[in-house]
Amino acid sequence: AQKVTQAQTEISVVEKEDVTLDCVYETRDTTYYLFWYKQPPSGELVFLIRRNSFDEQNEISGRYSWNFQKSTSSFNFTITASQVVDSAVYFCALSERTNAGKSTFGDGTTLTVKP
Amino acid sequence: ETGVTQSPTHLIKTRGQQVTLRCSSQSGHNTVSWYQQALGQGPQFIFQYYREEENGRGNFPPRFSGLQFPNYSSELNVNALELDDSALYLCASSLEIAGGSHNEQFFGPGTRLTVL
Repeated sequence: AQKVTQAQTEISVVEKEDVTLDCVYETRDTTYYLFWYKQPPSGELVFLIRRNSFDEQNEISGRYSWNFQKSTSSFNFTITASQVVDSAVYFCALSERTNAGKSTFGDGTTLTVKP
Repeated sequence: ETGVTQSPTHLIKTRGQQVTLRCSSQSGHNTVSWYQQALGQGPQFIFQYYREEENGRGNFPPRFSGLQFPNYSSELNVNALELDDSALYLCASSLEIAGGSHNEQFFGPGTRLTVL
């Protein structure tokens, strides 16, 4: 069975601080995908990134960066120089290689960025 | 290109009633997945429809059922509503290709169901 754990329930930072959201996963599959989604108060899940289990390269996109470490089954997400608009619930998810639609989600981390 | 849409936005029902939620997939997508998101939790996979047939199901009882139509839109039906069914119901569409090609899924805004 697959499982995703986001141990940080809530994080509060002041604008311009860097913040890292942790994600630890469990799976017996050798090939899988990992995702991060953002859920603003409106409720719609916004896709941020997908990472293939064979690709352990870290990725940077603007102020966002992701650190995938297969050895520790972790896929952490860092926001650099946080902004108030980054306030949202962030979800880490895991899916089978062959099907994006059957994803297992963590319970999310609520990030509050204060001005 | 239109995104994923869901209707209604909000719904209030009483225990024991039945409800139907609707989802229109993103243009070009052929697969629809439904998730239930209880307050303070992550989305839980209910089931997926591909080519008008159920293609996988999560740990939900049979009173949760669905349909997919030839235009790839989908319905989620829940019978004999219980208080614990109160949640945000999310629909996601994706393009799945026979042979196992994997793609992102795109979520709709959700339907918030309240069961009294």
